[in-house]
Amino acid sequence: TQLLEQSPQFLSIQEGENLTVYCNSSSVFSSLQWYRQEPGEGPVLLVTVVTGGEVKKLKRLTFQFGDARKDSSLHITAAQPGDTGLYLCAGDGGSQGNLIFGKGTKLSVKP
Amino acid sequence: IAGITQAPTSQILAAGRRMTLRCTQDMRHNAMYWYRQDLGLGLRLIHYSNTAGTTGKGEVPDGYSVSRANTDDFPLTLASAVPSQTSVYFCASKAGRLNTEAFFGQGTRLTVV
Repeated sequence: TQLLEQSPQFLSIQEGENLTVYCNSSSVFSSLQWYRQEPGEGPVLLVTVVTGGEVKKLKRLTFQFGDARKDSSLHITAAQPGDTGLYLCAGDGGSQGNLIFGKGTKLSVKP
Repeated sequence: IAGITQAPTSQILAAGRRMTLRCTQDMRHNAMYWYRQDLGLGLRLIHYSNTAGTTGKGEVPDGYSVSRANTDDFPLTLASAVPSQTSVYFCASKAGRLNTEAFFGQGTRLTVV
């Protein structure tokens, strides 16, 4: 069974601080995705990383895919209250390619 | 606006009752999924369908059934609800199986009492 372990589970920081969220697995994934979920809403895709070692930037968010395609990280620079939410990593798992999720990192950015 | 529609938004259900959660998408996506989201456990896959006419079991299928009569609709049925099925249920769809974006509905908050 493929599992995605996210850390930390909770993160509470002040506006302007930097942070990194990790997503790790013992399995190789063809790609990993990062989603953001706000209360009362479904998850929304932020990025998909496909190539080992790939780095993608989305404004203040930097996403990296590990060389071995088993892990990924999300780094936020100068966090803002609008970044508050649940961040989920996901990968296509199993023979059916169903999307499996990590348990998420709940981020709170205080002004 | 294209996307996924779930109904109802929320429901309180007596234990033992039958309930169908509805999910409709207008993006002509082949793959559709049902997840439940519980505190501390994340999103867990209940059932999936890779194309109309086919379905499969996910990580937590017991007590749930699905059908996929056409591309657009993917209803989830609880035959006899139990309190442990209290959760937030999300329907999702993808255009393809691998490396493609999943689009989610707004969720159905179900409380079984």
